[in-house]
Amino acid sequence: QITLKESGLTLVKPTQTLTLTCTISGFSLRTTGVSVAWMRQPPGKALEWLALIYWNNDQRYYPSLQSRLTITKDTSRYQVVLTLANMDPVDTGTYYCAHSPRWNRPFDYWSQGTRVTVSS
Amino acid sequence: ETVMTQSPATLSVSPGERATLSCRTSQSVSSSLAWYQQKPGQPPRLVIYGASTRAIGIPTRFSGSGSGTDFTLTISRLEPEDFAVYYCHQYGNSPLTFGPGTKVDIK
Repeated sequence: QITLKESGLTLVKPTQTLTLTCTISGFSLRTTGVSVAWMRQPPGKALEWLALIYWNNDQRYYPSLQSRLTITKDTSRYQVVLTLANMDPVDTGTYYCAHSPRWNRPFDYWSQGTRVTVSS
Repeated sequence: ETVMTQSPATLSVSPGERATLSCRTSQSVSSSLAWYQQKPGQPPRLVIYGASTRAIGIPTRFSGSGSGTDFTLTISRLEPEDFAVYYCHQYGNSPLTFGPGTKVDIK
């Protein structure tokens, strides 16, 4: 049974850095082809892909946010961490992590989502 | 960036009727196109991947078609639990992108 669960501070001030941890179970970040991604969804709006990390530590980022984003993994702790620097109120939304089983496959398991609010 | 468009923005359908949702991409994604269903307060649920393959546990009333830049999701006979927002998502080109969504509501 694959599950993913986010954790981290959900109320941040403008200019601060958001750090979210995705703790996984039911699969390994060592498995060839596996990736974990982060997406977000502003209130009432569509989904937006942010970043992705593969089993081999290859990292991909949404270009317009790349300078602010970092994705890392701790394979032994079954965790994937996302940081987003210089937070702004427009970054408010629900943040999800999700699993893909192999290259060129979409995300089949998602976390429940965590609501992040950026406010002074 | 591959831009996704979905039509219509809202589709009002009666239970038992057929729903047809459209997704277009600004450049070819081959068959690397997925559909997600999302209900309020819930994460997206994978419905279709590879443009036409149903995900695990998805009823046969859901079907997908298309390739290249034009895709369709069809729900043959809407059940009450099918009323939701549907997003298309391309994973063939970087960066990954999602469409703006089609809301299927009760007529």
